[in-house]
Amino acid sequence: DGGITQSPKYLFRKEGQNVTLSCEQNLNHDAMYWYRQDPGQGLRLIYYSQIVNDFQKGDIAEGYSVSREKKESFPLTVTSAQKNPTAFYLCASSASGTGVTDTQYFGPGTRLTVL
Amino acid sequence: AQKVTQAQTEISVVEKEDVTLDCVYETRDTTYYLFWYKQPPSGELVFLIRRNSFDEQNEISGRYSWNFQKSTSSFNFTITASQVVDSAVYFCALRGNRDDKIIFGKGTRLHILP
Repeated sequence: DGGITQSPKYLFRKEGQNVTLSCEQNLNHDAMYWYRQDPGQGLRLIYYSQIVNDFQKGDIAEGYSVSREKKESFPLTVTSAQKNPTAFYLCASSASGTGVTDTQYFGPGTRLTVL
Repeated sequence: AQKVTQAQTEISVVEKEDVTLDCVYETRDTTYYLFWYKQPPSGELVFLIRRNSFDEQNEISGRYSWNFQKSTSSFNFTITASQVVDSAVYFCALRGNRDDKIIFGKGTRLHILP
């Protein structure tokens, strides 16, 4: 089955710890994205990558880092510098990332809670 | 600047009623795409539809229909004969031709009561 997987589904972290969220896709998509969703809010873009070994900051990149060493993988690290990391994190991918027709498809999400 | 407004924060209707979710957008781009996504309680966003700015024909897919009107910058979504399984948060989104990003509205939470 083609799709996007995110792991883990639930993640708990102590304050001051870094944590890495996994996102894998087997859709052969070039572009991948990370969003953050807070209760009652829309999606806010953290980082995105249109091609391997390249990525750009989104609207709320502070306190986060990413890597894109493989086409199918786009892990997100939430660092201790992120002041309020408790949220629902969604990963998405799209075929090219550069076309206006591009549709993003989403993974099941990871719910991060800082204790 | 691009913007998507979903003024209805939360809607409750009784099963089998029709319901319309409103979406109003702002963009200076002449070419753009509009999207609707559904987010059920499980959390994953499910893609429903994509429409381009040059096609104002209404679209129908089963019980779902979409009304795109450039004159009012609106892209409304109607569910006919609603069912409990339609309960979810629905997001409208916009992507212009000068930006790599999709702009999402804040979503409308829809409750279908049995």
